Amino acid sequence: AQRVTQPEKLLSVFKGAPVELKCNYSYSGSPELFWYVQYSRQRLQLLLRHISRESIKGFTADLNKGETSFHLKKPFAQEEDSAMYYCALSGQDFWGTGANSKLTFGKGITLSVRP
Amino acid sequence: DTGVSQDPRHKITKRGQNVTFRCDPISEHNRLYWYRQTLGQGPEFLTYFQNEAQLEKSRLLSDRFSAERPKGSFSTLEIQRTEQGDSAMYLCASSLVGPFEQYFGPGTRLTVT
Repeated sequence: AQRVTQPEKLLSVFKGAPVELKCNYSYSGSPELFWYVQYSRQRLQLLLRHISRESIKGFTADLNKGETSFHLKKPFAQEEDSAMYYCALSGQDFWGTGANSKLTFGKGITLSVRP
Repeated sequence: DTGVSQDPRHKITKRGQNVTFRCDPISEHNRLYWYRQTLGQGPEFLTYFQNEAQLEKSRLLSDRFSAERPKGSFSTLEIQRTEQGDSAMYLCASSLVGPFEQYFGPGTRLTVT
């Protein structure tokens, strides 16, 4: 069975403060991990995926297989980062990625960045 | 192309009625997914199609739920004999086959009274 745990429901920080959104997972095979974001009144969209090793909007996330974690980090939060963030997991497929597989999501965390 | 579209955006129905939702994926996207999201939870996988073939169904998809993608383009999700527990946001996503991301629609919010 695959499971994603986001232990916190809400994180409130001031602008310029560092942010870390926690994500732990359980999966028996080789997972692919994603962070999705949903801004107010917008649809769910992909923020980043671990295989890309990209920094998107200043956010980074490193897959730690030993700790089964995929925490999302940003050194200096901006007000426009305020949104709902979901960590998601899928199993790797034929192409060695999980993008085309069903996604298992965590419950999400609301990030609020105050001015 | 404006992305994945879903219709209707909101649906209020009485318990016991049948409802049908439609999803139009991004053109040429072979794969189409349905998820359900209840309050305070992340989206939960229901089913997905590759072209017109339904490749996987979650055990969440009881026999009151049926999904089709008859021509490999749009998809419909029907819920028969709705129950209050079916109240949720129903999300559709699509992608190309391969290592490509899923693009989500705006969702259909179902309220069963």
